[in-house]
Amino acid sequence: AQSVTQLDSQVPVFEEAPVELRCNYSSSVSVYLFWYVQYPNQGLQLLLKYLSGSTLVKGINGFEAEFNKSQTSFHLRKPSVHISDTAEYFCAVSEKLDKLIFGTGTRLQVFP
Amino acid sequence: DSGVTQTPKHLITATGQRVTLRCSPRSGDLSVYWYQQSLDQGLQFLIQYYNGEERAKGNILERFSAQQFPDLHSELNLSSLELGDSALYFCASSETAGNTIYFGEGSWLTVV
Repeated sequence: AQSVTQLDSQVPVFEEAPVELRCNYSSSVSVYLFWYVQYPNQGLQLLLKYLSGSTLVKGINGFEAEFNKSQTSFHLRKPSVHISDTAEYFCAVSEKLDKLIFGTGTRLQVFP
Repeated sequence: DSGVTQTPKHLITATGQRVTLRCSPRSGDLSVYWYQQSLDQGLQFLIQYYNGEERAKGNILERFSAQQFPDLHSELNLSSLELGDSALYFCASSETAGNTIYFGEGSWLTVV
């Protein structure tokens, strides 16, 4: 069975500082990995996905993530955050590119 | 706007009642997914339909059922409602398995 662990429930950071949101997964087979963002009172929006190929994946809004198979991780990074990045971020895994298994989410709070 | 439409946006009902949540997928999308988001359970996959047929089942209670109609819209039926069913219910859609999954803005269900 697959599972996703997001160790940090909340990450506070000042504007223009770099940020890393951690995601580790568990699966007995190869998986596909995703990061979604949820702004207040909105649905989930896809930030980026890893399907195959380059382990460094670039997404929208300046975010990127690196797939590390040996460490079973898919951490999300942004070199300089903005107030508007304040949101809930969800890491997800899928074995067959159908249903997504989500982590518990990380609340990114950006302070001025 | 993801193109996935969910109604109603908010619903308050009493324990023991039955409700129906409706989802219109993005134009051309054949797959529909239902997810439940609650404070204690996080984001849980409930069920997936593809072109009218059930494709995958997750942690969906027996009191819950879903279907996808010939016009591809989907309904999630929740019956014998309990306080613990209060949650945000998301519908999502994708063209086929393997394509990006787009989420609606959710239906807030409050059971009192």
